[in-house]
Amino acid sequence: KAGVTQTPRYLIKTRGQQVTLSCSPISGHRSVSWYQQTPGQGLQFLFEYFSETQRNKGNFPGRFSGRQFSNSRSEMNVSTLELGDSALYLCASSPVERGTNEQYFGPGTRLTVT
Amino acid sequence: AQTVTQSQPEMSVQEAETVTLSCTYDTSESDYYLFWYKQPPSRQMILVIRQEAYKQQNATENRFSVNFQKAAKSFSLKISDSQLGDAAMYFCAYIIIQGAQKLVFGQGTRLTINP
Repeated sequence: KAGVTQTPRYLIKTRGQQVTLSCSPISGHRSVSWYQQTPGQGLQFLFEYFSETQRNKGNFPGRFSGRQFSNSRSEMNVSTLELGDSALYLCASSPVERGTNEQYFGPGTRLTVT
Repeated sequence: AQTVTQSQPEMSVQEAETVTLSCTYDTSESDYYLFWYKQPPSRQMILVIRQEAYKQQNATENRFSVNFQKAAKSFSLKISDSQLGDAAMYFCAYIIIQGAQKLVFGQGTRLTINP
C-alpha cells in the first residue's frame, strides 16, 4: 500500500496570507490526525478527523481549521498567517476507530512564513 | 494532564553497541498505548515499536525492545547492535484508548551512531 502523502512538501507564505495543506491517508484508513512540529514546542496535536467529522481538537486558535472528505483525504487551513506558524505540519492516518492505535505519518509539509 | 518526558536530549553510541533511551510519562488513565517513533533527517516519522499498557510482557521488534514499568510509568527503548541507519530523533509517545484520539509526544532524543 502507498503511504501517507502530503502536498505540498514545501511552502513559503507571507504574514497575513492563508494556506491550505493536503493529506491523503493510507488506503482504508479512516482516521486522519494533524500535528505541528516546531523546535521550541515539539510535536503538538492539532485535530483529528474520522468519517468527515472532527472528533478532537488541540489547543490552537481558530485560525487553524480542517476538514475531511468522503474519501478520507483531509485538508488543513491556516488563515491570517503569523511568523510563529512556521513549522513542519505532519499528517497521520490510522486504520481503525478510536482506541487502538498506531498512527502512520506522512513526510510533512514545511511551511515558512515571512 | 498527560505528559511525556524524555530526559536525554542527545545520546551517542558506537556502531554495533547497545543504547537505551529513557522515557517517563504521567497519566491517571489505566488503558493506554505507548510508542517509540523514529524521525530520520529526511523527516518521515516511522513507528518503531508499540506497547499496550495491559500487557506485562515487554514488546520486541528485531533489534528494538522496550522495558515497560507501568507502576513507575517508565518506558525505555533499547537498541541492540546499533547501525548507522539508526541515527535519528526518537520520540516517545502516549495515547489513551478511550477519549481523545491524539498522540502526546516527548521532546525527543537525538541519537548519533559513531562508526
